[in-house]
Amino acid sequence: NAGVMQNPRHLVRRRGQEARLRCSPVKGHSHVYWYRQLPEEGLKFMVYLQKENIIDESGMPKERFSAEFPKEGPSILRIQQVVRGDSAAYFCASSSQGGTSGGRTDTQYFGPGTRLTVL
Amino acid sequence: QKEVEQNSGPLSVPEGAIASLNCTYSDRGSQSFFWYRQYSGKSPELIMSIYSNGDKEDGRFTAQLNKASQYVSLLIRDSQPSDSATYLCAVRDDYKLSFGAGTTVTVRA
Repeated sequence: NAGVMQNPRHLVRRRGQEARLRCSPVKGHSHVYWYRQLPEEGLKFMVYLQKENIIDESGMPKERFSAEFPKEGPSILRIQQVVRGDSAAYFCASSSQGGTSGGRTDTQYFGPGTRLTVL
Repeated sequence: QKEVEQNSGPLSVPEGAIASLNCTYSDRGSQSFFWYRQYSGKSPELIMSIYSNGDKEDGRFTAQLNKASQYVSLLIRDSQPSDSATYLCAVRDDYKLSFGAGTTVTVRA
């Protein structure tokens, strides 16, 4: 039962370094979403991608953050020049459909998350 | 993101009791609603989805939806210590989920 996989599970970076977070969706899912959970806060949407396309990045900070979902390989969330405020849990989710189908196919299943700590 | 409000916790219930969790949302056009459970340090786990007005039951869990009142709730019957977790209400806005802040439930033995 291959669910959403994320790696690394824990990542420690010093201020100014780059962080790369990887997400492999459920097999057969072509829709990937990234969410961030800051300490003591709720989950916030960051970006929605389909293969080779960014559909909505409205929740992602304009600077230092980027995301991709190439034709082959996992989705990558990249944070350049990390700051302490980037310390959070980053969750990836996937679904088999992305629209408002109102059914099970639009259900988002979450991966285990990557916990980023910036020193 | 649209607003999703959950009743403030934490909520402490004795084992075997009913835990009642409430959630309201701001977008009257929302169609899909979800309850996720999140244990400390873990990822959200889907426990219920509901799309139509009324009740939906799955084991010890019952979700209730009232679109006219923009209200969705979750009842946990016969609460067990393993139900101790944070429960997240999520509303789908097109393709992205808007989450409430969560309600932490503690089931005391």
